[in-house]
Amino acid sequence: AQTVTQSQPEMSVQEAETVTLSCTYDTSENNYYLFWYKQPPSRQMILVIRQEAYKQQNATENRFSVNFQKAAKSFSLKISDSQLGDTAMYFCAFVEAAGNKLTFGGGTRVLVKP
Amino acid sequence: DAGVTQSPTHLIKTRGQHVTLRCSPISGHKSVSWYQQVLGQGPQFIFQYYEKEERGRGNFPDRFSARQFPNYSSELNVNALLLGDSALYLCASQGSGVLSYGYTFGSGTRLTVV
Repeated sequence: AQTVTQSQPEMSVQEAETVTLSCTYDTSENNYYLFWYKQPPSRQMILVIRQEAYKQQNATENRFSVNFQKAAKSFSLKISDSQLGDTAMYFCAFVEAAGNKLTFGGGTRVLVKP
Repeated sequence: DAGVTQSPTHLIKTRGQHVTLRCSPISGHKSVSWYQQVLGQGPQFIFQYYEKEERGRGNFPDRFSARQFPNYSSELNVNALLLGDSALYLCASQGSGVLSYGYTFGSGTRLTVV
């Protein structure tokens, strides 16, 4: 069974600074997709960034970027130039290419301080 | 274009009662998944439906059931409610084709069992 582990329950960062969230996963599959979702107090899960396992290039979406290390099964998220609106829970998630379910980590709470 | 809509947003039920939660996917999306998110944890997969057929089931008891209608909307039913069923129930829809675009989530239904 696939597992996703987020080892940092909570992170705080000053506005405009950078924070990196860790995520490791376990799978025997070779083809899969990885995601970072943001969940603000409004509760809705919002897709932040995605990575296809077959792509070596790390994904980037504006201030958000990932460091994907396939051999190490690591998928960290870097938030640059943090903004107050980035305050939320962040979840790392995994799905097999032929699968039908997302497996989530336990989440990391990010607090951006003014 | 409307996103994923869930109803109701909140409800309170008594132990032993039955509950029905509803979800309307994004127009054109044929796949609907249900997730349970207990407070302080990541979401757990319950069901996936595609074209009205069950495509996957998580590790949940038979008290949990679901169905998908011809218009691709879906219902999640939970019988004989327990206190431990108190959670945020999230619905996600996915279009056909590119899995890598991930799932789009609704804002969820907050169920409290007393």
